Amino acid sequence: SQTIHQWPATLVQPVGSPLSLECTVEGTSNPNLYWYRQAAGRGLQLLFYSVGIGQISSEVPQNLSASRPQDRQFILSSKKLLLSDSGFYLCAWRRTSGKDTQYFGPGTRLTVL
Amino acid sequence: DAKTTQPPSMDCAEGRAANLPCNHSTISGNEYVYWYRQIHSQGPQYIIHGLKNNETNEMASLIITEDRKSSTLILPHATLRDTAVYYCIVKGGSNDYKLSFGAGTTVTVRA
Repeated sequence: SQTIHQWPATLVQPVGSPLSLECTVEGTSNPNLYWYRQAAGRGLQLLFYSVGIGQISSEVPQNLSASRPQDRQFILSSKKLLLSDSGFYLCAWRRTSGKDTQYFGPGTRLTVL
Repeated sequence: DAKTTQPPSMDCAEGRAANLPCNHSTISGNEYVYWYRQIHSQGPQYIIHGLKNNETNEMASLIITEDRKSSTLILPHATLRDTAVYYCIVKGGSNDYKLSFGAGTTVTVRA
């Protein structure tokens, strides 16, 4: 069976500090991968998606970047965090064939102070 | 522009059926209706999806009107653990990579 991991689960960072969030998927190969953000009391906003190693599409201009160094690894980064980067960050994966469903990880709650 | 319209909130009694409406009057012929839910502080969970036929699985039933302009998600016997935000999403086929989440419906199941 497939599983998706995210870490850390929670993170408190000062403004201006760097960020690295990691997502890994097990039990599947060549998945589509996604990063979403959910600000407090708001809906989910798609940030990035990837259809393969090194292939990243950005949905909104922002202070964040994403990378996919391995098939089942997706990393969300920032060089300098802003207060507005606070939120709940969710990684998701989808098969490239078969059932067209996105499966979400447990999320990382980021607080920027 | 949002592709779906859902009521912001609804209450349901435990053990009763919960019927969640969704309007998607601009849906095109190759777009599917997906339902996800998000329990507080967790990632969204897939529930069900359909194109034009009604669908049922172990979690819920999806009823799509003949003109496909609206649908209803039915939780047959709501439990307290069904309290969540429910999202109705219109999405193209497998070539459409994205899920666009709106505000959803906050469902509160009461004992």
